[in-house]
Amino acid sequence: GQQVMQIPQYQHVQEGEDFTTYCNSSTTLSNIQWYKQRPGGHPVFLIQLVKSGEVKKQKRLTFQFGEAKKNSSLHITATQTTDVGTYFCAYGGATNKLIFGTGTLLAVQP
Amino acid sequence: NAGVTQTPKFQVLKTGQSMTLQCAQDMNHEYMSWYRQDPGMGLRLIHYSVGAGITDQGEVPNGYNVSRSTTEDFPLRLLSAAPSQTSVYFCASTGSRANTEAFFGQGTRLTVV
Repeated sequence: GQQVMQIPQYQHVQEGEDFTTYCNSSTTLSNIQWYKQRPGGHPVFLIQLVKSGEVKKQKRLTFQFGEAKKNSSLHITATQTTDVGTYFCAYGGATNKLIFGTGTLLAVQP
Repeated sequence: NAGVTQTPKFQVLKTGQSMTLQCAQDMNHEYMSWYRQDPGMGLRLIHYSVGAGITDQGEVPNGYNVSRSTTEDFPLRLLSAAPSQTSVYFCASTGSRANTEAFFGQGTRLTVV
């Protein structure tokens, strides 16, 4: 079946450094969503990308959807300790059956 | 506005016991799902529902049953708990339009001994 791989599995950065996580699919995706889960918390929706080559920004976060709609990335500029958590990509279809990637755990050292 | 409510928050079961994890949403969402989260494996879809009376299997459905008698409720049943079902379980709901965000409950941490 369709699979989405996320890399890296874990990333440790110094506060102020940049961070990027990648989501790669073997097949074309209709859309991609990104979620953040704080330690001990539940996933919270960040954004959805639908169009080929789409780029969206939320303050220090930049989200991209590849031209072929097979990959996506989340980039955080100048990380802060509040960015700590696990970032998941997820893809869905018309039935809203969401399948999640394996996630990237971000640790930020002050 | 409560959103998605899961109960209980924590549960310890003995192998072979049965239990039901409750999930309720007050947003009139058509789509509801159950996920389990295990270290290093992300969120895996167990079962989902596209509306009252309609359910379907996800990626890891074995050992779990669901039903959807109302729009608001989507309980998950473990008929005979096994240690492999030790996990954190999340319920989620999504609105009726395609490609919309999922709202998650606070999660249930289940330990089977």
